[in-house]
Amino acid sequence: SYELTQPSSLSVSPGQTASITCSGFKLGDKYACWYQQKPGQSPVLVIYQDKKRPSGIPERFSGSNSGNTATLTISGTQAMDEADYYCQAWDGSSAHVVFGGGTKLTVL
Amino acid sequence: EVQLVESGGGLVHPGGSLRLSCAASGFTFSDYWMHWVRQAPGKGLVWVSRIISDGSTTNYADSVKGRVTISRDNAKNTLYLQMDSLRAEDTAVYYCARDPGDGYNLWGQGTLVTVSS
Repeated sequence: SYELTQPSSLSVSPGQTASITCSGFKLGDKYACWYQQKPGQSPVLVIYQDKKRPSGIPERFSGSNSGNTATLTISGTQAMDEADYYCQAWDGSSAHVVFGGGTKLTVL
Repeated sequence: EVQLVESGGGLVHPGGSLRLSCAASGFTFSDYWMHWVRQAPGKGLVWVSRIISDGSTTNYADSVKGRVTISRDNAKNTLYLQMDSLRAEDTAVYYCARDPGDGYNLWGQGTLVTVSS
């Protein structure tokens, strides 16, 4: 079965750039999207189709996807960005949606 | 208001059954594929099942296939998840999510299912 791998945690200082990776076999051939989830809340879509931002998502959130790795980049990270982040892709061969294991982003 | 509201969660014994509902409002429900996603306490998001707009095609995660049935009633703007032969490992918050084809752009608040004796 298809798998997506993320680092379990990442720490960044306020104002710095956070880059969260998501790895999977030929992931660049699929569309990746990213979700932000804060404690006690439902997930929120922050990036879709590799690099597009839904309305209302700040410009500091950006995405890329090539080869085996998709990356979520948060520029000028703010305290409010502290959350869990999940990547997701559609595996057409199995007709399954796949999530990465999630990355806990700490801003300190 | 555009929203999804889940209901039907609760405490059930191992081997028991439960039916979750997801009521949609504020948008044309029949235009969208819909999914169920679950999250065990303190764990990550796990996809459970998908149903396309007219209900004619469904897909399931291997961990629930044969025990779970997704369905929808477009006249009632409601998504369902019938869960049978429940196990302790099915304990999770279950979310319904709207899929326009490129990511879940609307989630419900979730409903907690606890499987325990």
